[in-house]
Amino acid sequence: QVQLVQSGAEVKKPGASVKVSCKASGYTFTDYYIHWVRQAPGQGLEWMGWINPNSGGTNYAQKFQGRVTMTRDTSITTAYMELSRLRSDDTAVYYCARDSSSRPFDYWGQGTLITVSS
Amino acid sequence: DIQMTQSPSAMSASVGDRVTITCRASQGINNYLAWFQQKPGKVPKPLIYAASSLQSGVPSRFSGSGSGTEFTLTISNLQPEDFATYYCLHHKSYPRTFGQGTKVEIK
Repeated sequence: QVQLVQSGAEVKKPGASVKVSCKASGYTFTDYYIHWVRQAPGQGLEWMGWINPNSGGTNYAQKFQGRVTMTRDTSITTAYMELSRLRSDDTAVYYCARDSSSRPFDYWGQGTLITVSS
Repeated sequence: DIQMTQSPSAMSASVGDRVTITCRASQGINNYLAWFQQKPGKVPKPLIYAASSLQSGVPSRFSGSGSGTEFTLTISNLQPEDFATYYCLHHKSYPRTFGQGTKVEIK
């Protein structure tokens, strides 16, 4: 069965960086893009960008350009999202989600809570 | 960027009711529209893709319709487990954008 398993919660100080992992299993990793979506406490869903696990190509939301880096390691079928220069308003649950052109975000990771606090 | 506007932002309904949620796109997106259900503290669950196609395992009381700029999610015969927040998402282009969500609460 398809599974996306994310790394655990983290607490970071303002200005630091965080790297979240998303381990995929149950399907061919390189056949589907991985997207990242975040949700601040009590707020809606916000799309951050995607990575093509096959080519390594990426596309980031303009809001995060310059602060976010998405990578992957095909040998261990894992995608990563690194966010730098963290601010308090980056406190959120970060999700990875599998995507195909016809069925967007059909499988999600369990979410990773990132808390930014001094 | 394409903006997605949901209405209402919140609503109260009773078990057995028929509920309709609307999602409007700021420009035409054909049928590149998906719906998700999210319960507090849980991962969003995909319900519908391509505006009207039900994801596997989703009860048939959920249905979607629309094309272009206006879309609806209908829940017929609302069940206790349906009280949640619902989000639309366009996937016609990038950036992808979600609606702001519609919270369906118990009356």
